[in-house]
Amino acid sequence: DVKVTQSSRYLVKRTGEKVFLECVQDMDHENMFWYRQDPGLGLRLIYFSYDVKMKEKGDIPEGYSVSREKKERFSLILESASTNQTSMYLCASSFGAGSEKLFFGSGTQLSVL
Amino acid sequence: QQPVQSPQAVILREGEDAVINCSSSKALYSVHWYRQKHGEAPVFLMILLKGGEQKGHEKISASFNEKKQQSSLYLTASQLSYSGTYFCGTVTENAGGTSYGKLTFGQGTILTVHP
Repeated sequence: DVKVTQSSRYLVKRTGEKVFLECVQDMDHENMFWYRQDPGLGLRLIYFSYDVKMKEKGDIPEGYSVSREKKERFSLILESASTNQTSMYLCASSFGAGSEKLFFGSGTQLSVL
Repeated sequence: QQPVQSPQAVILREGEDAVINCSSSKALYSVHWYRQKHGEAPVFLMILLKGGEQKGHEKISASFNEKKQQSSLYLTASQLSYSGTYFCGTVTENAGGTSYGKLTFGQGTILTVHP
């Protein structure tokens, strides 16, 4: 089975800190995604990557950046965390260019105080 | 723009049926359905491609009406294990077959099944 692993289940940071959320997948998937999940808003796409060093903005990229130096790893960076970035962050991966199913990690619950 | 799911929440007793709807303001290429149990990762249920096909997964099936830009998820004879939040994810027609799996999700429908 595909495994998508997020490095932290819970994270507490202070306003203004630089935050790194890490995600690793073990099935050689080309595509990786970062979604943010908030009650009543569902999952919203922050960034995605379809190849190493390639990235595209999703629907809510403001305040975030990403890095994909290796195929299996996709990092989400909050340059200066703010309280409105308190949320559940979900990483996902998929194979191929078509309408493929996503495999999700278990999520990182980030609290910014 | 996110698709709209209805209802926002539904409560059932075991054995009852439910329908969850997903509507988009844009022409769709495909609709995906996922289920997320509390504290767990969302899990893929099924994909429907334009063509109006109906697919099934255990006692869960779905339809896709591309003219109405809607999909419906049908849960029959519900079980306790069906409890969770259901999300539809859509790919618009102009993205077509090169979406790379990039989905726009609805806000979710919370399904609770009681004994």
